[in-house]
Amino acid sequence: GAGVSQSPSNKVTEKGKDVELRCDPISGHTALYWYRQRLGQGLEFLIYFQGNSAPDKSGLPSDRFSAERTGESVSTLTIQRTQQEDSAVYLCASSLSGGGIDTQYFGPGTRLTVL
Amino acid sequence: AQSVTQPDIHITVSEGASLELRCNYSYGATPYLFWYVQSPGQGLQLLLKYFSGDTLVQGIKGFEAEFKRSQSSFNLRKPSVHWSDAAEYFCAVDPAGGGADGLTFGKGTHLIIQP
Repeated sequence: GAGVSQSPSNKVTEKGKDVELRCDPISGHTALYWYRQRLGQGLEFLIYFQGNSAPDKSGLPSDRFSAERTGESVSTLTIQRTQQEDSAVYLCASSLSGGGIDTQYFGPGTRLTVL
Repeated sequence: AQSVTQPDIHITVSEGASLELRCNYSYGATPYLFWYVQSPGQGLQLLLKYFSGDTLVQGIKGFEAEFKRSQSSFNLRKPSVHWSDAAEYFCAVDPAGGGADGLTFGKGTHLIIQP
């Protein structure tokens, strides 16, 4: 079956603009995760959805970041008033039920460049 | 603070030689442990995971990892590397055991294979 997909694959924007990143999880997966990977760094956990609910948003780097999910389907990560330090690869993952034993399947990522 | 450490940023190994990538974690209890591989232009792929039981875990592509509680380590090994193993390797933990806090990743080890 299809894996996790993300769009766009690349996004170049100017400082101060808003961007929206999209993630389509594997069909039937109730859990969805967003991560950020800065150059030369490991992945940084941002937010977790169980269904369309995100119980803890404290991992989002600032109030310029927001995320939502429609049902148990697509999720969008929005960054308002982008800054150069937002440049990174944003990765989405999904898992069957969100239990720790479940494997997280990752998408290819969106590479965001803020000029 | 809770953390995952991969002490080696780069490792160079000759094709056919054995490989060991180190991972240490700092958590109060035994977390769930994972190794992921990230090849250029591709998303992260799970190599193996440990939850409980046998401390030697077999994964895909001929990789294995050994959990050592006394050393808080989860090192990845392969008896004989292939040129296609050149990639970035990430150790990760799920500290909550429930997935909701996401995975905490090390900064990665870049594996270079010499012919």
